Amino acid sequence: QEQLVESGGGVVQPGRSLKLSCVVSGFNLSDFALHWVRQTPVTGLEWVAVISYDGERSHYADSVKGRFSISRDTFANIVYLQMNNLRPEDTALYFCVRGMDLAFWGLGTLVTVSS
Amino acid sequence: DVVMTQSPLSLPVTLGQPASISCRSSQSLLYTDANTYLTWFHQRPGHSPRRLIYKVSNRDSGVPDRFGGSGSGTEFTLNISRVEPEDVGIYYCVQLTYWPLTFGGGTRVEIK
Repeated sequence: QEQLVESGGGVVQPGRSLKLSCVVSGFNLSDFALHWVRQTPVTGLEWVAVISYDGERSHYADSVKGRFSISRDTFANIVYLQMNNLRPEDTALYFCVRGMDLAFWGLGTLVTVSS
Repeated sequence: DVVMTQSPLSLPVTLGQPASISCRSSQSLLYTDANTYLTWFHQRPGHSPRRLIYKVSNRDSGVPDRFGGSGSGTEFTLNISRVEPEDVGIYYCVQLTYWPLTFGGGTRVEIK
């Protein structure tokens, strides 16, 4: 059964770092691009970052460029989102999403940036 | 960035009646490969978004045929031919033609 399970969320102070993980099962990470998309009640859905199926390319939203980094471990079937210099506006539910076409979503992990 | 504008913001509907949601993009979503990468999602409270429609009008597996997508260029529509109770929630459009991917603000569908 195909699954995406996010973890690593929590409460963190502004300026600190957090690393999210997305464990995939039921399919090969090397066959699909993987995105991170975040959601807040106020701003709705916001695309954050993507890593290509071969891990060679990545793209970032301007709001996180230079602070966030997406990576993957194909042997462990995990995609990561390293988030540095966190800001209160990064507070959101973070989803891991499979495929360039955003076909399949995880349940999300909640990140709260607050002092 | 491509701006996606959905309307209405809120849509009260009567069970069994049709519903229509509009999504407009600030640029044409027609890509150089002749595909238009406009997708629709439905999100129920407490759930992750579920994809309904991709490339304007292609229904995902398991999506009831009462859902239909149409449009081209910068104007797109999601139609529900007869609203059922499980259709409540928020509907989002998203464009996948350009980086960064951008979502519409959402349309909340509720039963009258």
